[in-house]
Amino acid sequence: NAGVTQTPKFQVLKTGQSMTLQCAQDMNHEYMSWYRQDPGMGLRLIHYSVGAGITDQGEVPNGYNVSRSTTEDFPLRLLSAAPSQTSVYFCASSLPGLGYEQYFGPGTRLTVT
Amino acid sequence: AQRVTQPEKLLSVFKGAPVELKCNYSYSGSPELFWYVQYSRQRLQLLLRHISRESIKGFTADLNKGETSFHLKKPFAQEEDSAMYYCALKDGGSNYKLTFGKGTLLTVNP
Repeated sequence: NAGVTQTPKFQVLKTGQSMTLQCAQDMNHEYMSWYRQDPGMGLRLIHYSVGAGITDQGEVPNGYNVSRSTTEDFPLRLLSAAPSQTSVYFCASSLPGLGYEQYFGPGTRLTVT
Repeated sequence: AQRVTQPEKLLSVFKGAPVELKCNYSYSGSPELFWYVQYSRQRLQLLLRHISRESIKGFTADLNKGETSFHLKKPFAQEEDSAMYYCALKDGGSNYKLTFGKGTLLTVNP
């Protein structure tokens, strides 16, 4: 299994540009989520999904869209990039249950100039 | 609302010294807590969960409901323990969501 994969690893955008961060998992996990990691702020949940066709907002959803058309894929779209969205983005997946574990992707480092 | 607090952004110890990374939580129900670790240039991964009462890489963490704490401890720190550590609390209303603390960067000096 490849686990959770993310592309691209690095990206530089200009203010106002749009782009999609890709996330895929091959573990048949129901739950997928997107976090952003900022110095001194920890990990903050952007959006999450509990299954194909079901998404919901996390703590910091503004400026981001998601969709979940398949169990495997959970792309994150930046509609109009802003410098405040400069961050490292992590995708994670998991299965429900007692003592469950979230599996993280390697991250995408995004810089918006 | 549930909350996880890690009061130390940075923690520096010498090799062989004991280390304790603090985590306090705010939650009205029965908590499920985790420690995640991110080594340099590696992805975030689960270190341990309180329900398993396990010791991983020499680390242990005991849930103290009276003090609402879940501190991570290791009696003798090693240089390879240098990493970012996150305490996380499972959302009581979900089987999936986690609330993370802001993290503590541990540096173990030779």
